[in-house]
Amino acid sequence: KAGVTQTPRYLIKTRGQQVTLSCSPISGHRSVSWYQQTPGQGLQFLFEYFSETQRNKGNFPGRFSGRQFSNSRSEMNVSTLELGDSALYLCASSLLGSGGEKLFFGSGTQLSVL
Amino acid sequence: QQQVKQSPQSLIVQKGGIPIINCAYENTAFDYFPWYQQFPGKGPALLIAIRPDVSEKKEGRFTISFNKSAKQFSLHIMDSQPGDSATYFCAASMKGGAQKLVFGQGTRLTINP
Repeated sequence: KAGVTQTPRYLIKTRGQQVTLSCSPISGHRSVSWYQQTPGQGLQFLFEYFSETQRNKGNFPGRFSGRQFSNSRSEMNVSTLELGDSALYLCASSLLGSGGEKLFFGSGTQLSVL
Repeated sequence: QQQVKQSPQSLIVQKGGIPIINCAYENTAFDYFPWYQQFPGKGPALLIAIRPDVSEKKEGRFTISFNKSAKQFSLHIMDSQPGDSATYFCAASMKGGAQKLVFGQGTRLTINP
């Protein structure tokens, strides 16, 4: 069974641009969540989607948005990029997103904002 | 109240030693406490997890000890190997927010041969 796939692996953008990251969950998994990882702030929860609906949201500005498609694939978008958005963006999936369920992470998209 | 505090930031242990990583939390609504292992260039991978109604859980060489009254939990790695060198994160989540994990800052563990 293929793991969580994130594309692209690396991205370089300039301030003010927007970016879209893609995530394909493990087959059969319906919950997809996104995390931002930086050396200073560590791993921070962005949002979670289940059956195309955002179910949980972290404390990030509205420039960060996401969506989930009917096949459970998910995208996240960051508009008006800032230098501080440089980070590793991780996608994770699980079957139903219910309590205590194992979360499977992808290898992430490394975003550099210049 | 949402924080999970992890220590130490880095740890160096000789092969065969027992590294111990500690975490503390404030929010008593947390009811799920996983530990993740992350290698460079990879995403975190779940190692072991515990619920607050259990004081200890073992899986292979990994053990979680949980102290509900102190709001602390720790990871012990028995018979540590150089291949265990990685960054370890503790985390916590609340009922109904299983995917909304609050992570500790991480511990960079090095096992010397």
